[in-house]
Amino acid sequence: KNQVEQSPQSLIILEGKNCTLQCNYTVSPFSNLRWYKQDTGRGPVSLTIMTFSENTKSNGRYTATLDADTKQSSLHITASQLSDSASYICVVSAGGSYIPTFGRGTSLIVHP
Amino acid sequence: DAGVTQSPTHLIKTRGQQVTLRCSPKSGHDTVSWYQQALGQGPQFIFQYYEEEERQRGNFPDRFSGHQFPNYSSELNVNALLLGDSALYLCASSLTPNTEAFFGQGTRLTVV
Repeated sequence: KNQVEQSPQSLIILEGKNCTLQCNYTVSPFSNLRWYKQDTGRGPVSLTIMTFSENTKSNGRYTATLDADTKQSSLHITASQLSDSASYICVVSAGGSYIPTFGRGTSLIVHP
Repeated sequence: DAGVTQSPTHLIKTRGQQVTLRCSPKSGHDTVSWYQQALGQGPQFIFQYYEEEERQRGNFPDRFSGHQFPNYSSELNVNALLLGDSALYLCASSLTPNTEAFFGQGTRLTVV
């Protein structure tokens, strides 16, 4: 069964600090992995997308890594801002399937 | 480009009623997917429409049905509403069935 597990479930940090969110998956065969940011009550917005051959991708203060061997990904947020408070969702797609597998998300709260 | 638009933004229905949610895809996109997101959970795939046909379906009962029109817009219909159907319903569009999905803002459905 395809699964995506994210940790931690929630995280509270101070403004200006860095943090790293984790994603482990069992989706097979792997096609791509995406990180989304979802503000409360809004639709998810794509941050990064990585295929099998990519192990790092950046989008401003967001840097995603992928280890296809261990089936792990991380999202690193640098110099956090209050606007980073949101849920961060890891989504993995399998080759040949149009149905992506979503993680439950990590809820990040950035305090001033 | 207006992106993916959904209507209505909020809706309150009574148990047993029927509801129709609407989605207009991003310009140039011909594939529409629908998701249900319960509070504190990741989105769950309901189904995907491409070329006016349901191409993939997640683990949802037949009470959930949909339609795609020639202009690629889509509707999600839910019959015999249950309290457990209360959720944020997300529509996502993509260029093709397995490319990056762009999400709308969602419709918040409350069943009382």
